[in-house]
Amino acid sequence: AQTVTQSQPEMSVQEAETVTLSCTYDTSENNYYLFWYKQPPSRQMILVIRQEAYKQQNATENRFSVNFQKAAKSFSLKISDSQLGDTAMYFCAFMKLNTGANSKLTFGKGITLSVRP
Amino acid sequence: NAGVTQTPKFQVLKTGQSMTLQCAQDMNHEYMSWYRQDPGMGLRLIHYSVGAGITDQGEVPNGYNVSRSTTEDFPLRLLSAAPSQTSVYFCASNLAGAHEQYFGPGTRLTVT
Repeated sequence: AQTVTQSQPEMSVQEAETVTLSCTYDTSENNYYLFWYKQPPSRQMILVIRQEAYKQQNATENRFSVNFQKAAKSFSLKISDSQLGDTAMYFCAFMKLNTGANSKLTFGKGITLSVRP
Repeated sequence: NAGVTQTPKFQVLKTGQSMTLQCAQDMNHEYMSWYRQDPGMGLRLIHYSVGAGITDQGEVPNGYNVSRSTTEDFPLRLLSAAPSQTSVYFCASNLAGAHEQYFGPGTRLTVT
């Protein structure tokens, strides 16, 4: 079974600064996906970024980038130029790359990020 | 294209009552899933389906039933609600072979 650990329950960052959210995971699988989801106060789950484990290059999406360390089983999210709209709960999630297992996302407990004006 | 829709948005039940949370998607996705979100626990998979007529249990299936008679709909049934089922419930869907799940807006359920 897979586990995803987000050990920081809360973080705070000044607007326009950079913040890094940590995530570690445990799996015996070699092929998998990792995700960061954002949940603003509206409750909607929004996909922020995705990383395929077989790709060495770290994924980036505009101000969001990841530091994927496969050997260390670490998957951190960096948010650059933080904006007030980034205030949300962020979840790290794992999915096996396997037919029939595509519906099984394993989530961490989440981290609440507050961006201060 | 409405995406994934869930009804109701909010519900209050008394212990022992039954109800069905509705989930529908109009994207022709084969896979659909139900998660529950509890404070400090993240989201946990309840049940999932890989196609019409096929369902399977997730991490926390006890107390919940599902069926999938059409590609579009995946209802979640609580047969006898318990206070431990107070939670926010999310439905999600994705194409087979694709790994991005699309989430509905959630249903906040309170069982008293």
